[in-house]
Amino acid sequence: QVQLQQWGAGLLKPSETLSLTCAVYGGSFSGYYWSWIRQPPGKGLEWIGDINHGGSANYNPSLKSRVTISVDTSRNQFSLKLTPVTAADTAVYYCARNFDTWGQGTLVTVSS
Amino acid sequence: QTVVTQEPSLTVSPGGTVTLTCASSTGAVTSGYYPNWFQQKPGQAPRALIYSTSNKNSWTPARFSGSLLGGKAALTLSGVQPEDEAEYYCLLYCDGSWVFGGGTKLTVL
Repeated sequence: QVQLQQWGAGLLKPSETLSLTCAVYGGSFSGYYWSWIRQPPGKGLEWIGDINHGGSANYNPSLKSRVTISVDTSRNQFSLKLTPVTAADTAVYYCARNFDTWGQGTLVTVSS
Repeated sequence: QTVVTQEPSLTVSPGGTVTLTCASSTGAVTSGYYPNWFQQKPGQAPRALIYSTSNKNSWTPARFSGSLLGGKAALTLSGVQPEDEAEYYCLLYCDGSWVFGGGTKLTVL
């Protein structure tokens, strides 16, 4: 059964770069779309973007100028970079496979 | 960008039936929006229930069903259980992007 394990820095200052990685265990990396989704505290879900195993990425238009999603097929991992961050980027960030399997979530707090 | 709208809250009695809906600001929701539905309980990651309008994941209880209803995507819970109390989110594919609805808080009492 596929599992997603994610990690990255949990506390950032404004203007810094958010960097998260999601590793895929127990399943194929090809043939799926790999997404990043976030959820501000007490609020709803927001799709950030996705990428396929070939490296073709799609982004939320509202975040596109600040986001990069990349894939490392040799390690079965994909990553998210968001820069520069502000307090509005404080959220739990999730990685997901085709929206059917989700990582455990990482709380990222942006504070000076 | 497209706005996806859900009922903010609904209440249902145990054993009852409830339908949650998901509307698009651009018009009627069709199968081409590939509606997805998720359940989220406090402190947990969302759990996928329905994809592509009406398809269930292997773990989705039989009492959950998805459909298109009156120009909206719909999630119907039949024979509601206390453990179904949760936040429910829909997700639509709109103009090359995925857009979540604001969520429906379902209370069972």
